Amino acid sequence: EAEVAQSPRYKITEKSQAVAFWCDPISGHATLYWYRQILGQGPELLVQFQDESVVDDSQLPKDRFSAERLKGVDSTLKIQPAELGDSAMYLCASSLAWVTDTQYFGPGTRLTVL
Amino acid sequence: KQEVTQIPAALSVPEGENLVLNCSFTDSAIYNLQWFRQDPGKGLTSLLLIQSSQREQTSGRLNASLDKSSGRSTLYIAASQPGDSATYLCAVRGSAEYGNKLVFGAGTILRVKS
Repeated sequence: EAEVAQSPRYKITEKSQAVAFWCDPISGHATLYWYRQILGQGPELLVQFQDESVVDDSQLPKDRFSAERLKGVDSTLKIQPAELGDSAMYLCASSLAWVTDTQYFGPGTRLTVL
Repeated sequence: KQEVTQIPAALSVPEGENLVLNCSFTDSAIYNLQWFRQDPGKGLTSLLLIQSSQREQTSGRLNASLDKSSGRSTLYIAASQPGDSATYLCAVRGSAEYGNKLVFGAGTILRVKS
């Protein structure tokens, strides 16, 4: 069964350093999402791509976060500089269609900022 | 702004018991509602997707209902098993007015004791 791949699974970094997360969606899925999940809360959407275009990045802290999906396939989420409050699980999801279809989630990247 | 609340926050039951998890949302103008399962430190697995025009969906021992007008959904788990232990998340997809975003509740932590 096809799955969403994410790497790394765990990342520990110091405050003010740069970090990057990678996501490879299920083949053929045009829509890709990045979520942040703080412990004890539900995921919150950071950015949504339709093919290579950003559809929604209203909750992305653009002074330090950036996301790209250059060829409309895999995607990278970057944080520079990392802050203590960025410690969370970063989840990537993909879906065949934007609104109607189920989102399939990857295993996530657990980020700890020291 | 759409808000999703899940009650109870945590639930512990003996194996074999039938149980109900509750989800409420503040704005009834939704496109669909999904229930997800999340194992500790892992990504989310979609369990059931209910379109706004539907009243319920069933999959195996799971049954989810939707009452859009009252802003409520329930997830019914029959004959619970220790393997059902996980966090269950409810998410509503808002209308175009809300950018069709998926808004999550904080989840219900379920423990099924053998």
